[in-house]
Amino acid sequence: RKEVEQDPGPFNVPEGATVAFNCTYSNSASQSFFWYRQDCRKEPKLLMSVYSSGNEDGRFTAQLNRASQYISLLIRDSKLSDSATYLCVVNDYGGSQGNLIFGKGTKLSVKP
Amino acid sequence: SQTIHQWPATLVQPVGSPLSLECTVEGTSNPNLYWYRQAAGRGLQLLFYSVGIGQISSEVPQNLSASRPQDRQFILSSKKLLLSDSGFYLCAWTGVPGPLHFGNGTRLTVT
Repeated sequence: RKEVEQDPGPFNVPEGATVAFNCTYSNSASQSFFWYRQDCRKEPKLLMSVYSSGNEDGRFTAQLNRASQYISLLIRDSKLSDSATYLCVVNDYGGSQGNLIFGKGTKLSVKP
Repeated sequence: SQTIHQWPATLVQPVGSPLSLECTVEGTSNPNLYWYRQAAGRGLQLLFYSVGIGQISSEVPQNLSASRPQDRQFILSSKKLLLSDSGFYLCAWTGVPGPLHFGNGTRLTVT
């Protein structure tokens, strides 16, 4: 069974904190990885793609560990506006064509 | 640039009534198209996806159906809604390979 697992949280952190989320995936053939952000009652929005070499976008850093089959998202200097649910997404190659498997999300709450 | 339109934004329908949700994509050709549903407080569930006109794959058995009459048009339908059909319905597209881009969603309440 091909799955994407995330800690549901919630992660309650103060402003300015650094927080990290992990996500494990079961399909070793997966090639594409993404982090999405979903605000309450809104559609998910792409936060960043995850590249093999790791990538950074401002306060956000994504990493991929193929050997252990997990991806991570690091948020530095947390802002109140970072409060949201963060979804890990993995392409299910070998399964349904073009199917992207979503984790159930990790909820982050940044407090003043 | 590519845009995706989904309507209506909210919908309240009685049990047993029909459903039609429409989604269109602009600015791209031959996209993969998807319908997802998210029940309250739950994760995203893939309902249907399509890799081309008239090509529909169903991921879960249910009383919903999908159609793709044109390259950039994807329709979700039901002949008779159930209470359990309530949820947040999201249309999405992707190039292959690539991330999903979602429409704004339709919040359906079946009463």
